[in-house]
Amino acid sequence: GQQLNQSPQSMFIQEGEDVSMNCTSSSIFNTWLWYKQDPGEGPVLLIALYKAGELTSNGRLTAQFGITRKDSFLNISASIPSDVGIYFCAGQNPTDNDMRFGAGTRLTVKP
Amino acid sequence: DAMVIQNPRYQVTQFGKPVTLSCSQTLNHNVMYWYQQKSSQAPKLLFHYYDKDFNNEADTPDNFQSRRPNTSFCFLDIRSPGLGDAAMYLCATSSRDGYQGPQHFGDGTRLSIL
Repeated sequence: GQQLNQSPQSMFIQEGEDVSMNCTSSSIFNTWLWYKQDPGEGPVLLIALYKAGELTSNGRLTAQFGITRKDSFLNISASIPSDVGIYFCAGQNPTDNDMRFGAGTRLTVKP
Repeated sequence: DAMVIQNPRYQVTQFGKPVTLSCSQTLNHNVMYWYQQKSSQAPKLLFHYYDKDFNNEADTPDNFQSRRPNTSFCFLDIRSPGLGDAAMYLCATSSRDGYQGPQHFGDGTRLSIL
C-alpha cells in the first residue's frame, strides 16, 4: 500500500520552543490533514489542506501542503504544556478517497 | 455541538464472548468509519459505510462485522474476541458528495479482553 512516512517519531522540547514535524509520501495526495490525539481520546482535526502550496494557520499552528503533493509539514510556535500529545498526519488518496495515517509524532513539552 | 459519540467509553468482555460497540453522529455525514488503534500506533481502518454501501478493508478479519441501521448510527460487532483484539476502537464520520471532506473522530471505546 501507499507509504506515509512521518518524522520525527518523538520530540522532547522546552516550553516556549518552536516545533516542526513532517510527512512524506511515495505518491500524491489531494488532501493533507493534521490531527492531535490526547491520551484516551480520539484524534482531533487541527488543520486541513486542500491545495498544493497551501499554507494554513490555526492559532500557533501552521501547516503547508507541499508543491509536489507528496509532503506536508506542521509547525507549532511557542509551545506550551498542553501541546503534549501525539500528532498524526493523514493523506487522502485521489484514487480511492480513503485516508492514510502517518505513524505519529509524540510531543513532550517540559515546563 | 454536533459530534461523534461512542458508547461505552470502556468495555470489558471475556475471551470469545461477542461484544458490540456503538457510534452515533449528529453531523449528518454520509460516511462512517471504524478504526482499530493499538498502543502508540496509528489508527487502522477496518471498514466504512458510504451511505448504505459497506466497504471492507482487505485485511480486516471476518471476526469483525458492522451494521449501519440508519444515517446516525453505526455498530461494530466482534463475534469472538481474542486477546489480540484488545485495543481502542475509533469511529469517524465524513461528508462525501463528489468531494471528500475531512474525517471527524469520536473519543473511542477502549476494549479489554479477560
